[in-house]
Amino acid sequence: AQSVTQLGSHVSVSEGALVLLRCNYSSSVPPYLFWYVQYPNQGLQLLLKYTTGATLVKGINGFEAEFKKSETSFHLTKPSAHMSDAAEYFCAVSKGDSSYKLIFGSGTRLLVRP
Amino acid sequence: KAGVTQTPRYLIKTRGQQVTLSCSPISGHRSVSWYQQTPGQGLQFLFEYFSETQRNKGNFPGRFSGRQFSNSRSEMNVSTLELGDSALYLCASRSTDSTDTQYFGPGTRLTVL
Repeated sequence: AQSVTQLGSHVSVSEGALVLLRCNYSSSVPPYLFWYVQYPNQGLQLLLKYTTGATLVKGINGFEAEFKKSETSFHLTKPSAHMSDAAEYFCAVSKGDSSYKLIFGSGTRLLVRP
Repeated sequence: KAGVTQTPRYLIKTRGQQVTLSCSPISGHRSVSWYQQTPGQGLQFLFEYFSETQRNKGNFPGRFSGRQFSNSRSEMNVSTLELGDSALYLCASRSTDSTDTQYFGPGTRLTVL
């Protein structure tokens, strides 16, 4: 069965510092991988996705993630945190076999200190 | 293109009542999925509809049901509400390419008293 693990329910960084949010997955087949962001009282916004091809994926708002099959990881990074990045971030996986069901991690709340 | 819309945004019901939530997908998208988000269980898949047919179902009791209309709009129904059904219900519209990219609406916040 597929699963997603996000290490750290809360991550705190200073404004301007590197953001690193960790995501590991387990999947018996090559997966599709996604990062979503959720601001308070809102739905989920797609940040970026990996389906096939280049393993370094660039998304919106300066975020990027690297798919590492050998480590079953898909960590999210941003070189310089901004106050507006404070939100909850979810990593998700699907099997890519037309099941169209996303399995989500438990989420990481990013706090940005001024 | 307009995004995924969900109505209503907020609902308050009492135990034993039933509720219907509505979702309109992005124009041209034929697949709609529903997810429940709670602090304790996180984001959980409820079901997915494509061309008016349920294609996939999560591990939820039969009190949770849904349907999809010919215009791809979808409704979700929860009967005999329980306190534990209080949650944010998110609808997602799937892209028409071959990936599983799903675009989410703002959600309906259901509170059961």
